[in-house]
Amino acid sequence: GAGVSQSPSNKVTEKGKDVELRCDPISGHTALYWYRQSLGQGLEFLIYFQGNSAPDKSGLPSDRFSAERTGGSVSTLTIQRTQQEDSAVYLCASSLVAGLPPTGELFFGEGSRLTVL
Amino acid sequence: QQPVQSPQAVILREGEDAVINCSSSKALYSVHWYRQKHGEAPVFLMILLKGGEQKGHDKISASFNEKKQQSSLYLTASQLSYSGTYFCGTVTGGGNKLTFGTGTQLKVEL
Repeated sequence: GAGVSQSPSNKVTEKGKDVELRCDPISGHTALYWYRQSLGQGLEFLIYFQGNSAPDKSGLPSDRFSAERTGGSVSTLTIQRTQQEDSAVYLCASSLVAGLPPTGELFFGEGSRLTVL
Repeated sequence: QQPVQSPQAVILREGEDAVINCSSSKALYSVHWYRQKHGEAPVFLMILLKGGEQKGHDKISASFNEKKQQSSLYLTASQLSYSGTYFCGTVTGGGNKLTFGTGTQLKVEL
């Protein structure tokens, strides 16, 4: 596609359930980032993937959060045993310019809004 | 360390100018500016790297003051399309994370 695609756009789940959020980056972008945007907060870094290198997971808030990137393209963010404080918009971004910290433009998807009841 | 943005919100009449500030408690390596319209993805505006003082993008420009550890975004002759939330992201010296502020909500009215 032309831009970063995320699914689902909205997800309502019950506390304790697992959820999976998907990100399809722009073709050819080797760098992929996940951010979380809570109400009234800035964009919180979660995890970074670059090609086949080990991901930088230093932003993941707990071991209930994990992410993988298959074939250097699509990424899935998994949240196990969801809690109400996990409610947020989860944004994925990709970049043509690799590196952490980012030195190039990040192309964001529209996000997946997660609501944990 | 999350940068501090000011003001938190501003309302402008079309054609007016605005300044959004972004301050860090640590020495800055780079500053990134993004705009997010309601319900949409953040969109890149510009990056200012250490050693670069100012950049421009149409009627939107920014400065980077390393000594004061801050950046300012200048919007001149504002248009309705400028409405949205502006985020600054900072990378501090020695760090590798792009940390965003809580945003400045800008609304341009007729």
